[in-house]
Amino acid sequence: NAGVTQTPKFQVLKTGQSMTLQCAQDMNHNSMYWYRQDPGMGLRLIYYSASEGTTDKGEVPNGYNVSRLNKREFSLRLESAAPSQTSVYFCASSYSEEGNTIYFGEGSWLTVV
Amino acid sequence: QKEVEQNSGPLSVPEGAIASLNCTYSDRVSQSFFWYRQYSGKSPELIMSIYSNGDKEDGRFTAQLNKASQYVSLLIRDSQPSDSATYLCAVFSYGGSQGNLIFGKGTKLSVKP
Repeated sequence: NAGVTQTPKFQVLKTGQSMTLQCAQDMNHNSMYWYRQDPGMGLRLIYYSASEGTTDKGEVPNGYNVSRLNKREFSLRLESAAPSQTSVYFCASSYSEEGNTIYFGEGSWLTVV
Repeated sequence: QKEVEQNSGPLSVPEGAIASLNCTYSDRVSQSFFWYRQYSGKSPELIMSIYSNGDKEDGRFTAQLNKASQYVSLLIRDSQPSDSATYLCAVFSYGGSQGNLIFGKGTKLSVKP
């Protein structure tokens, strides 16, 4: 059972470069999320997609864009990476956004130099 | 801004003892509460969910919810060194037209052999 799969696991970027984090889930979940986790800051929601075809900003959306490609896939794009975006990124999914359990992918460690 | 507060720890308990982890939240109308465990370098994994006032037991874990006091706790009985991890409290809160899971910053638990 794959669950939530995200790639790449590790990435080093130079300031100003762009990249896309990919995420796919095989649990037939409707809602998908992107979080970032920084020391002392906890998990913070970047963007979420309550259902296929919809996306909404979370707590820290600046500098990011997302695409809900289909029900399974939800990508996160950094258009012009900045050192402040060095973080661990987690993709997650749930059956719906109505208080259901969220399941996380294994994380993507991103360093911007 | 809805908030979820946890003592960052570290909380250190001897093997076999009861570990008590606490969490308070600001949104009075929250209905769904979750405890996640996160090992260093890994993604959060769900331990317990609780929706009603009172206690909910699952093996060595007991979640306690008191909505009047806006307080949720996690008790770990017979603590084992393998329980050493960061425990994240998460509360589902509505903000505007959408709801989201808001995470506390986590309590680091250390179980000493």
